[in-house]
Amino acid sequence: EAQVTQNPRYLITVTGKKLTVTCSQNMNHEYMSWYRQDPGLGLRQIYYSMNVEVTDKGDVPEGYKVSRKEKRNFPLILESPSPNQTSLYFCASSSSGGAGQPQHFGDGTRLSIL
Amino acid sequence: DQQVKQNSPSLSVQEGRISILNCDYTNSMFDYFLWYKKYPAEGPTFLISISSIKDKNEDGRFTVFLNKSAKHLSLHIVPSQPGDSAVYFCAASEVFGNEKLTFGTGTRLTIIP
Repeated sequence: EAQVTQNPRYLITVTGKKLTVTCSQNMNHEYMSWYRQDPGLGLRQIYYSMNVEVTDKGDVPEGYKVSRKEKRNFPLILESPSPNQTSLYFCASSSSGGAGQPQHFGDGTRLSIL
Repeated sequence: DQQVKQNSPSLSVQEGRISILNCDYTNSMFDYFLWYKKYPAEGPTFLISISSIKDKNEDGRFTVFLNKSAKHLSLHIVPSQPGDSAVYFCAASEVFGNEKLTFGTGTRLTIIP
């Protein structure tokens, strides 16, 4: 089954404790992206990757890091989480067919930073 | 600055009737528009899209209309079914915009049996 898998699904942690949210896709997609969803703001792009070893900032990259060492994996790293990073996070992937290519989303990771 | 706007946070429609969800945008560089459907505790799933060179795209019960001059698009669902109850997001992307999707804030559609 084609899917994007995120782990963990839920996490409550404390300010400053490094955490990683993993994302893996089994569709051999070149493009992967991270979004966060906040009330009244929709989904906003954090980082994206056009292919292995190619990553770039989205609209809200502050406080986040990513890496793309393998095609299937695109982890999101919070080196020193803060309460304003409490949010619902989605990983997405698509084949790089250009703009308008539908992205496939994971089921989300709800992070609470205390 | 919200470039994609969904001004109705919620909408209730009787089963069997037409549901119309609206979306406005401000960025004239958007070339593709997509609708996603989201159930609780799941990620958004792609529903239907339209290129800016078209004004209508149809897929079964779902039709998307695009009015470029008004920078407005709408999603029509006919007939509405209880399983259509979900949050619907309008999204847009630019041809040279790293495939980023710019999302609206969503409309919660409730279909009343």
